[in-house]
Amino acid sequence: DTGVSQDPRHKITKRGQNVTFRCDPISEHNRLYWYRQTLGQGPEFLTYFQNEAQLEKSRLLSDRFSAERPKGSFSTLEIQRTEQGDSAMYLCASSRQLQETQYFGPGTRLLVL
Amino acid sequence: GQQVMQIPQYQHVQEGEDFTTYCNSSTTLSNIQWYKQRPGGHPVFLIQLVKSGEVKKQKRLTFQFGEAKKNSSLHITATQTTDVGTYFCAEYNYGQNFVFGPGTRLSVLP
Repeated sequence: DTGVSQDPRHKITKRGQNVTFRCDPISEHNRLYWYRQTLGQGPEFLTYFQNEAQLEKSRLLSDRFSAERPKGSFSTLEIQRTEQGDSAMYLCASSRQLQETQYFGPGTRLLVL
Repeated sequence: GQQVMQIPQYQHVQEGEDFTTYCNSSTTLSNIQWYKQRPGGHPVFLIQLVKSGEVKKQKRLTFQFGEAKKNSSLHITATQTTDVGTYFCAEYNYGQNFVFGPGTRLSVLP
């Protein structure tokens, strides 16, 4: 399967802990996006990369969130000092070019207790 | 900021009935994309519309982009149980990246 993969698929953590998620995009895609989705809502944009450069971050993204894509391939999203409000599905998507089809991964479901 | 509205929020139909969801934006759009998300799944791309007044068809699905490029619709003819899921429109505007609507959740009763 050469689709977008995400790891882990599920994460349960205690409030105040740090968590890190990984996304492996489709190999020839140079754009990578992170979204957050809560129950009954559409995906909410967090940030995106073109190759290794992080080009945009949502104003909703607090300083506790950081994302990297060091070699322009896989990306990581870290949440520090997790809060219960961080509980959500974290989706990664990739595309070849701007405005092109986004291919979503299966997501990482985070539960903060 | 950019806002995306979708109506209805929920739609329950009997199998074989038609279904339409509408997407409206507060700004003129460069393009619009439609996605489907099955229960427990992730969004899957359906189509992209770019031109004013554009109409595209995929089997029983018909997608339209408004003449003013501020609204779009997805129409499903003769729904099937496999159509169950949430349908999202996603709008792209330069400098604001992709903004997803809240989605329309479709239930199809057999």
